[in-house]
Amino acid sequence: TQLLEQSPQFLSIQEGENLTVYCNSSSVFSSLQWYRQEPGEGPVLLVTVVTGGEVKKLKRLTFQFGDARKDSSLHITAAQPGDTGLYLCAGVSLMNRDDKIIFGKGTRLHILP
Amino acid sequence: NAGVTQTPKFQVLKTGQSMTLQCAQDMNHNSMYWYRQDPGMGLRLIYYSASEGTTDKGEVPNGYNVSRLNKREFSLRLESAAPSQTSVYFCASSEDWPDEQFFGPGTRLTVL
Repeated sequence: TQLLEQSPQFLSIQEGENLTVYCNSSSVFSSLQWYRQEPGEGPVLLVTVVTGGEVKKLKRLTFQFGDARKDSSLHITAAQPGDTGLYLCAGVSLMNRDDKIIFGKGTRLHILP
Repeated sequence: NAGVTQTPKFQVLKTGQSMTLQCAQDMNHNSMYWYRQDPGMGLRLIYYSASEGTTDKGEVPNGYNVSRLNKREFSLRLESAAPSQTSVYFCASSEDWPDEQFFGPGTRLTVL
């Protein structure tokens, strides 16, 4: 069974601090997606990483895909209260006819003003 | 464009009752999905439709049925609701399977 482990589960930090959250698996993924979900809403896609070692930046958010395409990280610089939410990673596995998309359980981030 | 819409937004059922959750997308996407989200469990795929005319089971299909009515609409049916089906249900769509997904606002279902 393929699993995506996200850590930490919860994180509460002060505005202006930096943080990194992780998404790890023992399986190789074709691509990995990061979503942010706010209370009472559906997840919204932030970025997709496809190539091993790929780094993508979205303003203060930096996403990295591991060289072996088994893990990914999200780094936030100078966190702001608007970054508060549930961050979900989703791994896409394309293996012959056994295509899968698997979500991690998420990291709940709270930025204190 | 409304994106992905879901109805109803909230629903309370008694054990054994049936209901259908409706989902529609106006992005001309080929693929549509149904997920459930429970505390501590993340998003789990119930069923998906990679293209119009096809449906496939996801991780947790038991107790559910789906219908891809046309390219726009994908419904989820609970034939005999159980308390274990209390959850928030999300519909999503993507251009193709398994591309980046666009999610609806969710349906919060409580089964008593």
